Amino acid sequence: EAGVAQSPRYKIIEKRQSVAFWCNPISGHATLYWYQQILGQGPKLLIQFQNNGVVDDSQLPKDRFSAERLKGVDSTLKIQPAKLEDSAVYLCASSLLSGYNEQFFGPGTRLTVL
Amino acid sequence: KQEVTQIPAALSVPEGENLVLNCSFTDSAIYNLQWFRQDPGKGLTSLLLIQSSQREQTSGRLNASLDKSSGRSTLYIAASQPGDSATYLCAVSLSNTGKLIFGQGTTLQVKP
Repeated sequence: EAGVAQSPRYKIIEKRQSVAFWCNPISGHATLYWYQQILGQGPKLLIQFQNNGVVDDSQLPKDRFSAERLKGVDSTLKIQPAKLEDSAVYLCASSLLSGYNEQFFGPGTRLTVL
Repeated sequence: KQEVTQIPAALSVPEGENLVLNCSFTDSAIYNLQWFRQDPGKGLTSLLLIQSSQREQTSGRLNASLDKSSGRSTLYIAASQPGDSATYLCAVSLSNTGKLIFGQGTTLQVKP
């Protein structure tokens, strides 16, 4: 079974630039999550989708971050404009159903903002 | 507000030793608790999932326990190996939506 795919794996940008990350969840998984992991900390949920609807985006900085999940499959997370404090690993995860909560994580995208 | 704490932040042990990693959470009304492993530069690998009605789960050399009333979970690793070196994260879910609240992790080094 293929795992969660993410791209790119690494990205370096300058502050005020924009960046986008892509995630392809495990086939058939209805729920998709985006987490931000700052160095030395545990991941923090940014946004959760159930199919193509948003379940929780309470910790998403909506003035600069946006995310979408078209057709309930792939998802993109965008930052515009980026700040230095956005440097982190962005992890995508998926689960079959939100009620059965085992989440499967992708390898992450490491973002460095200079 | 739910907070998850893991102690110690780092641990170094000789190969073959049995060890325990600790996780505590402030709100006992959890849906489940999950232990993950994270290797450098990699994503998270799920190790064990304990539902709120369960007391423990076992997988190979790993055993995780859950005591909701005291807000604690432990991950027991038997006969540690150098390949066990990684960061171990625990996370709790407060509802069936699946949102996870993570601890900051324990970085384990097993020396040959």
